[in-house]
Amino acid sequence: EDKVVQSPLSLVVHEGDTVTLNCSYEVTNFRSLLWYKQEKKAPTFLFMLTSSGIEKKSGRLSSILDKKELFSILNITATQTGDSAIYLCAVEGHTGNQFYFGTGTSLTVIP
Amino acid sequence: NAGVTQTPKFQVLKTGQSMTLQCAQDMNHNSMYWYRQDPGMGLRLIYYSASEGTTDKGEVPNGYNVSRLNKREFSLRLESAAPSQTSVYFCASRTGGLETQYFGPGTRLLVL
Repeated sequence: EDKVVQSPLSLVVHEGDTVTLNCSYEVTNFRSLLWYKQEKKAPTFLFMLTSSGIEKKSGRLSSILDKKELFSILNITATQTGDSAIYLCAVEGHTGNQFYFGTGTSLTVIP
Repeated sequence: NAGVTQTPKFQVLKTGQSMTLQCAQDMNHNSMYWYRQDPGMGLRLIYYSASEGTTDKGEVPNGYNVSRLNKREFSLRLESAAPSQTSVYFCASRTGGLETQYFGPGTRLLVL
């Protein structure tokens, strides 16, 4: 059975802390892994990863994929209250168009 | 560009009633998707349309039907709503190939 597991389920940190969010997967015919940020409404795209070991970076956020061990991490440095959200990991598999989402990590950043 | 739009934003149904959720995109995307999001379950794919004229089942298709009306529009129909279909429904689209999906704002559905 295809599945995506995220950990931790929730996290509370103080502003300025660094956090690491985890995503492990078992998906047939892996094509890509994506990270999204979801505040109160629709998920918004952060990163797409297809190759192992290549870090994607955007400001204080970065992510990397390990296709051998079947996991990815999302790092956020110098967290801000605006980073408070649910972070979703998704994997595209099979013949394409089959996306499997994890349950998400709820991040709360306290001032 | 409006991106992906969904109507209605919120709907209350009684068990057994039917309704259609509408989705439209103005980005000339080939592929469109319907998801449901439940607490503790993440997003689950209901149906998708890889291109105009085609539709395929996702992970949780039972109780739903879809229509890809044209390239812009992809509707989701509940023929006989059940309380288990209470959820937030998201539509998404993408050009195709290796790229992200763009999500609509969601429809909150409550079935009593």
